[in-house]
Parts: sequence; C-alpha cells; structure tokens
Amino acid sequence: EAGVVQSPRYKIIEKKQPVAFWCNPISGHNTLYWYLQNLGQGPELLIRYENEEAVDDSQLPKDRFSAERLKGVDSTLKIQPAELGDSAVYLCASSLYGDTQYFGPGTRLTVL
Amino acid sequence: AQSVTQLDSHVSVSEGTPVLLRCNYSSSYSPSLFWYVQHPNKGLQLLLKYTSAATLVKGINGFEAEFKKSETSFHLTKPSAHMSDAAEYFCVVSDSGSARQLTFGSGTQLTVLP
Repeated sequence: EAGVVQSPRYKIIEKKQPVAFWCNPISGHNTLYWYLQNLGQGPELLIRYENEEAVDDSQLPKDRFSAERLKGVDSTLKIQPAELGDSAVYLCASSLYGDTQYFGPGTRLTVL
Repeated sequence: AQSVTQLDSHVSVSEGTPVLLRCNYSSSYSPSLFWYVQHPNKGLQLLLKYTSAATLVKGINGFEAEFKKSETSFHLTKPSAHMSDAAEYFCVVSDSGSARQLTFGSGTQLTVLP
C-alpha cells in the first residue's frame, strides 16, 4: 500500500515569491493534515481537513498561507508571498477518521 | 490543554546497550500517547501508542513504553540499541479522545555509537 506522497521534496525560492506544496494521502483516508516543522522542533499543525472541509485552521497564517482539498482527496498548500521565516519542512499526514496519523516525507522549503 | 516535555534533547548510547528516552506529559483528560521516529529525510513513523488499555505498550523494532499516570510519564525503552535506531524521536500527546489533535514534544536525537 502506498504511503502519503508529497511533492516536491525540496524547494528553494527567493523571498516574496509564491510556492505550492502537494500532498496525496493514503487511499481511503478522509482526514488530511498539514504541519510545519522548524529545525530542531516537533511538528505543529497548520490545518486539518475532514473530507473537503477545513475543520481546524486556527494556526494557519491566513494573510499569506492558503490550502485547498477540493475533491476530498489530494491537497495543496500555498504560500504567497514567502518570507525568510517560512524556511522549514512542511509535512502532510492522513488518517482514517481519528485513528493513527501517517506522515509523508515532507517538503523542505528554503527561502533566500 | 495538553503538552509534552522531552527531558533530553540528545542521547548517546553504545550499540548493544539499553536505550531510555524520557517523556513527561500534561493533559486535562485521559490522554492518548504516542512515540514517533523520524529518520533523516524520511517521514515520521509510528513506533507505538497508548490508548488507555495496557500500561506497558510494545511497539515495532523492539521498543516499548510504560504509561505511569502517577508520574505523568511515558518513557521509551529498548533493551539493546542497534545502529539503525539512530534517529530523532518524538513523544506525542492527544487528549481529544482520538489521534486528531496531536501535540509533539521537541524531540530527542538518539546517537548510537559503534
């Protein structure tokens, strides 16, 4: 069974540029999560989807970050414009309802 | 509110010796507790989870953890370290009754010396 797929794995951009990350969850998993992981720290939740609905986006900086999960399957997280402080690893996870979360390998973003 | 404190940011052991990674938690309710491992450039992998059943939880790769409510601890142990165990380990708590709302500790980097 395929795990959570994320792309790209690495992205280097200049500040003020836009960037997008893509995530495809495990087949059949209705819940999808985006996390931010800064160097030397544990992941922190940005947004959680139950099917197509964003049910917890309280930690998402809405002035520059946006996310969508239009058909309740794959999801895109966007930053526009990127800032130096956005350099981090962006993790996607999925689960079947409230069961165990399975994580993808992450996208490492570097903003120059 | 829930929180997790991992008491050591770095732990070094020799191959073949026991591993102990310490974790204390704070939770308003009966918590669910997890240990995840993160190898370089790989996704987080679940090692084990406690969800109010047996207090001694066995996980993958020979790891186990014991839930001690009186000490609010959930320490991770392994009798004999292997070189492949070198990684970052995260203790995680959820008090929502499911695994939806996870709070991660800051991680413990385990080094295994030959």
